Amino acid sequence: DTAVSQTPKYLVTQMGNDKSIKCEQNLGHDTMYWYKQDSKKFLKIMFSYNNKELIINETVPNRFSPKSPDKAHLNLHINSLELGDSAVYFCASSPNIGSTDTQYFGPGTRLTVL
Amino acid sequence: DQQVKQNSPSLSVQEGRISILNCDYTNSMFDYFLWYKKYPAEGPTFLISISSIKDKNEDGRFTVFLNKSAKHLSLHIVPSQPGDSAVYFCAASAVGGGSNYKLTFGKGTLLTVNP
Repeated sequence: DTAVSQTPKYLVTQMGNDKSIKCEQNLGHDTMYWYKQDSKKFLKIMFSYNNKELIINETVPNRFSPKSPDKAHLNLHINSLELGDSAVYFCASSPNIGSTDTQYFGPGTRLTVL
Repeated sequence: DQQVKQNSPSLSVQEGRISILNCDYTNSMFDYFLWYKKYPAEGPTFLISISSIKDKNEDGRFTVFLNKSAKHLSLHIVPSQPGDSAVYFCAASAVGGGSNYKLTFGKGTLLTVNP
């Protein structure tokens, strides 16, 4: 009964490829997020969607394109993968857009670009 | 530019003793602070939060203290249990500053509680 799920859990791919990571939440939340945790361990926000509308886009290269087909899903598509994209990507959701709302995180997707 | 700093990458304590995890911030607009806990191969889970109008918030074994003048907060765990062994992330947001939907995280502190 996972609240926030991500697929795949691990992703190993070559430079230049295009890949997608899927995220689903069954909590009925309006807001979803993508975070990146790089090798330095910082957890940084990339995108936030509220009711399928883009709210935050934190100077992420446009090779990264989030897609929210409905409130329960926020997928991340990455074009032309680079070595520096290797990281753990976390999806999260919260009831509403305010940061005083608890964010619930998925288990993460470890992306390795060779 | 690290706006939220957790200067201790790791901390080791004995079971039953107090664990104190520290966090400093530089952005004076931050007015809401959270602690998240993360086990290996899992996502972070919310632990406790504090608003800048308070200097202390307690939830069971967990207490967060906020010193606004020093731009410092700490998480106290008493008594520490082996199951508390995890990475603890400090996070902050500027609720009153117009960007209340963005959390800024520190790098985390790995707490190990020895039986």
